[in-house]
Formats: sequence, structure tokens, C-alpha cells
Amino acid sequence: AQSVTQLDSQVPVFEEAPVELRCNYSSSVSVYLFWYVQYPNQGLQLLLKYLSGSTLVESINGFEAEFNKSQTSFHLRKPSVHISDTAEYFCAVRNNNAGNMLTFGGGTRLMVKP
Amino acid sequence: DVKVTQSSRYLVKRTGEKVFLECVQDMDHENMFWYRQDPGLGLRLIYFSYDVKMKEKGDIPEGYSVSREKKERFSLILESASTNQTSMYLCASSLPGSGANVLTFGAGSRLTVL
Repeated sequence: AQSVTQLDSQVPVFEEAPVELRCNYSSSVSVYLFWYVQYPNQGLQLLLKYLSGSTLVESINGFEAEFNKSQTSFHLRKPSVHISDTAEYFCAVRNNNAGNMLTFGGGTRLMVKP
Repeated sequence: DVKVTQSSRYLVKRTGEKVFLECVQDMDHENMFWYRQDPGLGLRLIYFSYDVKMKEKGDIPEGYSVSREKKERFSLILESASTNQTSMYLCASSLPGSGANVLTFGAGSRLTVL
């Protein structure tokens, strides 16, 4: 079964600085990859997804993630963060051995400071 | 706006009590899910359902049961609550097929078992 590792549990960063949230997965077959975001006191919502095609995917609020098959990674990046980006971010992979359900990483808490 | 509504935002129960967590979605989604969210562990799937009266075990079903009598409603039941079930519980729904991994989440129910 696939697994997902988010290497950083917390990432503090100053406003307008760049950020990278790391995600590695284990899989020997084709993968579908996702980033979900959870703002304070809210449920998770889909940020972006990779299903096929271009390895670089973007969200509407300036985040992007790149699927790197050789490094089995799907890191999330933003060139300049805002206070409103403060949230917890979850990387997820579709688990081909479990009815195509999602397997989530442990989450990374992004804390943007003024 | 599409919605997944969880009936209770916060609950406090005693060890041994029976606990019901209710979830309703208004999107006519076939799939519904219950996850628990714990710090550092991310989201772990308890049960999911892909149709009325159908249910499948997830990764951590022990100590839980579910009920789906109507398409829009998916209930999580703790027959005899224990302190290790203190957690945040998230309900989600999705379409079948290619949309199955695009989940819409509720805001969560934080359960404390004393």
C-alpha cells in the first residue's frame, strides 16, 4: 500500500517569503496526488491535484506542486506567502490497493508571521 | 454552495457511553467517508460508503460502526466510547469514479471522552 510522508510538521515563515512544503510518497505504480488545505476551524478543501499530463500543477491562489517521479515527491511551493495562507496542509495519494481511497500524510502546519 | 454538515461541533462524553456522530450532505454524492484526525498522524479512514446501506472498513474500523440508511446521511457510532477515541472526526463526501478522490469535508466534530 502507498504511504505519504510530510517531512515537516511545522513551517514558520515571514510574510512575502517563499515557502516549500515537502511531500514524499511510496508507490510502484501510477499515482494520483493531491494537496488539501485546512484553514483554522474549517474542514479540509482541495488545493490542487495531479492526475496525469503536465508534472507542474497550480492552484488559483498561487500555490504550485511538481510531480517528480524519480524522487517520488510532490512538494508544494509558493513564491510569496500571505498571512491568510496560515493553515495546515495535507498531502495525499490515491491508494490503488485499498479501493482507490486516499492515504493522507501527517500534515504540515504553515505559520505565516507578519 | 455545496455542503457537508456535521451535527455536533464539540462533544464531551464519558467512558462507556454510546456516541452518535451525524453527517449530512446536500450534493447527491454517492460516496461518504468518516476520518479521524490526530496531530502528527494526519487523517485516517475509519469507514466509507459508496451507496445506501453499503459500507466498507477503512484503516482503523475497530471500536466504530456506521449507518447509511439514506443517501445524504452517514452516521458514525461509537458503541462504548473509550478515552483513546478522543479525537477530531471529519466526514466527507464525493462523486463516484474519477471524482472519487475530490472530497468535500465537513467542519469536523471534536469528541472528548472522559
